[in-house]
Amino acid sequence: DVKVTQSSRYLVKRTGEKVFLECVQDMDHENMFWYRQDPGLGLRLIYFSYDVKMKEKGDIPEGYSVSREKKERFSLILESASTNQTSMYLCASTVYRNNSPLHFGNGTRLTVT
Amino acid sequence: LAKTTQPISMDSYEGQEVNITCSHNNIATNDYITWYQQFPSQGPRFIIQGYKTKVTNEVASLFIPADRKSSTLSLPRVSLSDTAVYYCLVDLGGATNKLIFGTGTLLAVQP
Repeated sequence: DVKVTQSSRYLVKRTGEKVFLECVQDMDHENMFWYRQDPGLGLRLIYFSYDVKMKEKGDIPEGYSVSREKKERFSLILESASTNQTSMYLCASTVYRNNSPLHFGNGTRLTVT
Repeated sequence: LAKTTQPISMDSYEGQEVNITCSHNNIATNDYITWYQQFPSQGPRFIIQGYKTKVTNEVASLFIPADRKSSTLSLPRVSLSDTAVYYCLVDLGGATNKLIFGTGTLLAVQP
């Protein structure tokens, strides 16, 4: 069974801090994604990556960056956290073939105070 | 990119069949339609996927009309444990990795 692990379940950070959210998958998937989820807005794509060191912007990349130095790990970085980045963050991965389903982690609930 | 539209919420009772419809008017030839289920405090999980006509698995059925501009997820005889958010996703088969979700449908099943 595919396992996507997000390093923290809950995080509380202060405004202006640099925040790292880590995601690791164990199935050698090429594609990895970061979404944020807010009430009434569903899942919104922040960034995705289809290979090591490759990244593409999603719909809401502002205020975020990503890093993919190894195939199994995809990091989301908040350079200077703000209160409007308080949210649930979900990582997902999938193999690089047509229509393969996404496998999600259980999320990191980030609160920025 | 195809945008999906779903009802925000639906109510049902245990034992009923529930149908959730998703509109995707701009679906392209290569797009597949995938549905996910999400429980509180968990990530979404794959339920079913289809391209046209009807697909059935042990969990649900997916109906896709000939024009493919909508799809209907059918859950037979729901139970309280089916209370969740259901997302429809239109997947550009291989052309891009940018997978965009809609806002989802909150299904509340009552006893």
